[in-house]
Formats: sequence, C-alpha cells, structure tokens
Amino acid sequence: EVQLVESGGGSVQRGGSLRLSCAASGFAFSSHGMSWARQAPGGRLEWVSGIPSIPTGGGDTYYADSVRGRFTISRDNTRNTLYLQMSDLRADDTALYFCAREIAPRGIPILDYWGQGSLVTVSS
Amino acid sequence: EIVLAQSPGTLSLSPGDRATLSCRASQTIRNNYLAWYQQRAGQAPRLLIYDTSTRATGVPDRFSGSGSGSDFTLTISRLEPEDVAVYYCQQYDNPPTTFGQGTRLEIK
Repeated sequence: EVQLVESGGGSVQRGGSLRLSCAASGFAFSSHGMSWARQAPGGRLEWVSGIPSIPTGGGDTYYADSVRGRFTISRDNTRNTLYLQMSDLRADDTALYFCAREIAPRGIPILDYWGQGSLVTVSS
Repeated sequence: EIVLAQSPGTLSLSPGDRATLSCRASQTIRNNYLAWYQQRAGQAPRLLIYDTSTRATGVPDRFSGSGSGSDFTLTISRLEPEDVAVYYCQQYDNPPTTFGQGTRLEIK
C-alpha cells in the first residue's frame, strides 16, 4: 500500500523557516517524480514544487513563481524521503501542505497518491 | 499561466442522477493533458481521471472524462452518497501545472 506521511509543519512567524518531510513507503520511491502542493484554508489547490525521480543537480527542480527563491525541494532516495525547505515565510504561505507522488519518473505532474498534509501557519 | 474556470460552483443532485462538471481553460490544452481529482471533506485529493479520459486505478466506471481544446467535462453517472466532494480539474500541459477553483457536489 502506497503511503505518504508528511511532518514538520507548525506555527512560525513571518520571515521564519520550516522544513517539511514526507516519508514514503509501499512503492519504488526512486522510480517516481514527487511534488509538493498546498491548499489554503477553504481555498483551491496550488502546486508548489516538483522534483524528478533521480535529480541530476542541473536545475531540474521546479517551483511555482510564488515560492521560487524561498523554497527548496530535495529528496533522499536512500531514506525514501522528500523534503521542502521553506524560508522567508509569508502570511500567504499559510496552508495545508501535501506531498504527492507523480505518476511518472519526471516531468508529468499527474499526482496519483497524496499524503494527508502538514499544516503550516505563518503569523505576523 | 493557464487559468482553469470550473462550473457550476455548487451542484446539488439526487442519488442516481447524472452529474456534469465543466472545466474551461484560458487557452488550448494540448495533448489532452487534463486531470480530475476528488476531495472529500477532511481528506487529501484523489486522482480520478488523467489525460482527459483515462480512469486512475480503482476508479469506478461511473466516472468518465471527455473534452478537447479548452473545454473539458467530468461526468458522474448514477450518483451515490459517497460522491459528495469537491472536484478539481488540473492542467499539466503548460508549466506551471494549475488547478481550477473546484465544483462542490452535494447529494440531496
């Protein structure tokens, strides 16, 4: 059974930092691209960032304009874990952050499994 | 960035009815790169349909997708109480991938 379990969320002041983790199990983690998406309270889904199954380190991570330069996605295929380092957090980053598996190794953000989410609250 | 507009905002139907949900894109979506997700209250989204009309694993054949260009439809035949949810469309033709604002489906 595919499982994605996020952790690391919490309350932080504006300008602060947090690192989210997503522990994956039940599938070949290194064979799938992964994404982070978020959902503000009562709001629509927003894709945040994506990373291919085996990053080359040559700029093949992807970000929404709203987070580029502040968030960094990474993965550790030996630990089956996805990360999202968030810095310079703003009030509008407040959301439930989901880790999601992409259906393919790279480049196609069809998200076929999702975690339950980790709540990030940014206060001023 | 491609903007997706979903309609109606809320749909209220009876068990056994057919639901038709619309997703309109601000520009043409090539290769039929459009997906649909179901999000029940308090749960994570669930992939229903991708590539416009391909059902994801385990999705009942009551759910079907169609469309092309900039107009896409999710049809749910024979509504069941468990179909109560918000449904989102997503395009992945033009980065960044974007989602619609959702259609809320209520069962009377």
